[in-house]
Amino acid sequence: NAGVMQNPRHLVRRRGQEARLRCSPVKGHSHVYWYRQLPEEGLKFMVYLQKENIIDESGMPKERFSAEFPKEGPSILRIQQVVRGDSAAYFCASSPTVAGLNNEQFFGPGTRLTVL
Amino acid sequence: RKEVEQDPGPFNVPEGATVAFNCTYSNSASQSFFWYRQDCRKEPKLLMSVYSSGNEDGRFTAQLNRASQYISLLIRDSKLSDSATYLCVVKPGNTPLVFGKGTRLSVIA
Repeated sequence: NAGVMQNPRHLVRRRGQEARLRCSPVKGHSHVYWYRQLPEEGLKFMVYLQKENIIDESGMPKERFSAEFPKEGPSILRIQQVVRGDSAAYFCASSPTVAGLNNEQFFGPGTRLTVL
Repeated sequence: RKEVEQDPGPFNVPEGATVAFNCTYSNSASQSFFWYRQDCRKEPKLLMSVYSSGNEDGRFTAQLNRASQYISLLIRDSKLSDSATYLCVVKPGNTPLVFGKGTRLSVIA
């Protein structure tokens, strides 16, 4: 069984370009979470989505960042007009139902974004 | 006060040593507690959930003290392969997981 897949694993962008990060959850999982990890920092929650719905985006920056999880296909985290401060590892996680209690979140290998 | 605070690292211990990590959380409504392990430049992986009565998994023992809002992880007979960053994770009710910054462990031969 394939776990959470993320691509690309490494992404280099120049300031002002767009970055698109993709996440395919574990087969059968309908809950997806995006986290950002800055160098030497802990993971910070960004957004929680179910199929076609954003459930919680309290951790998303108000501008330039957006996320979707369409009915078909992977979840996408989109960063417009990237800046150097966006350089980080972006992890996606999935769970079969709401995570927590007895439900584990399974993490993907992450996408390392470098903004030049 | 940060939502989840952990011991500052790094911990450098010899093989075979017992090492303990501590973690405190600020939200008294927190319901679920976990320890994750993260290897360098890798994704976090669940090590164990933490239950109110305390729980053990091989060489690993987790304890929870709700009154003190304190969580611990004890590793006995440390192995070189235990070297990693250990993340304390809390779930305050119907909200996303909150991660601590992690404590780095280096087990030395």
